[in-house]
Amino acid sequence: KQEVTQIPAALSVPEGENLVLNCSFTDSAIYNLQWFRQDPGKGLTSLLLIQSSQREQTSGRLNASLDKSSGRSTLYIAASQPGDSATYLCAVYYGSNYQLIWGAGTKLIIKP
Amino acid sequence: NAGVTQTPKFQVLKTGQSMTLQCAQDMNHEYMSWYRQDPGMGLRLIHYSVGAGITDQGEVPNGYNVSRSTTEDFPLRLLSAAPSQTSVYFCASSFSGREETQYFGPGTRLLVL
Repeated sequence: KQEVTQIPAALSVPEGENLVLNCSFTDSAIYNLQWFRQDPGKGLTSLLLIQSSQREQTSGRLNASLDKSSGRSTLYIAASQPGDSATYLCAVYYGSNYQLIWGAGTKLIIKP
Repeated sequence: NAGVTQTPKFQVLKTGQSMTLQCAQDMNHEYMSWYRQDPGMGLRLIHYSVGAGITDQGEVPNGYNVSRSTTEDFPLRLLSAAPSQTSVYFCASSFSGREETQYFGPGTRLLVL
């Protein structure tokens, strides 16, 4: 069964630190992987989408990497700010016959 | 450009009642879907549509119906609400499929007593 796991479930760090969020998946035959941000009481916002042929994607202070062989993706946030506080979710897509498989998310708190 | 909109934001139902959660998008997206989000779990797909007139079941379709009469609208109907359907419901859309960036609505929080 294809599963996506995000550990830890919650993370609290001081402002200014660089941090890494983890996403692991059991089946390495992925089509792409997406990282989302969810703010309390709001919907999800797509941050980055990595195709299976790519190793990483960057957007501003965010960098997402993909290692299919080890079944892992990381989201790197540089110089964290209180505004980065949110829940971060990853979702894996395996191809036309499959749906998105979602992790449960990591709740990130950046302390001023 | 409003993106994906959902109504209502919050709803309380009694067991056995029915209701419709509304979802609309103004981006001319073909693919639309409904998810539910429960504490400690990943999003689970309820139903999805690849275009007007075409719908299909997702992972947890029981107790829910959908229709897609227009490209813009994709309502989700709860036929007879049960406490197990207490959840946050999200509607999402993308231009042509689930392999693309998904755009989400703000969600509907549903409490079934």
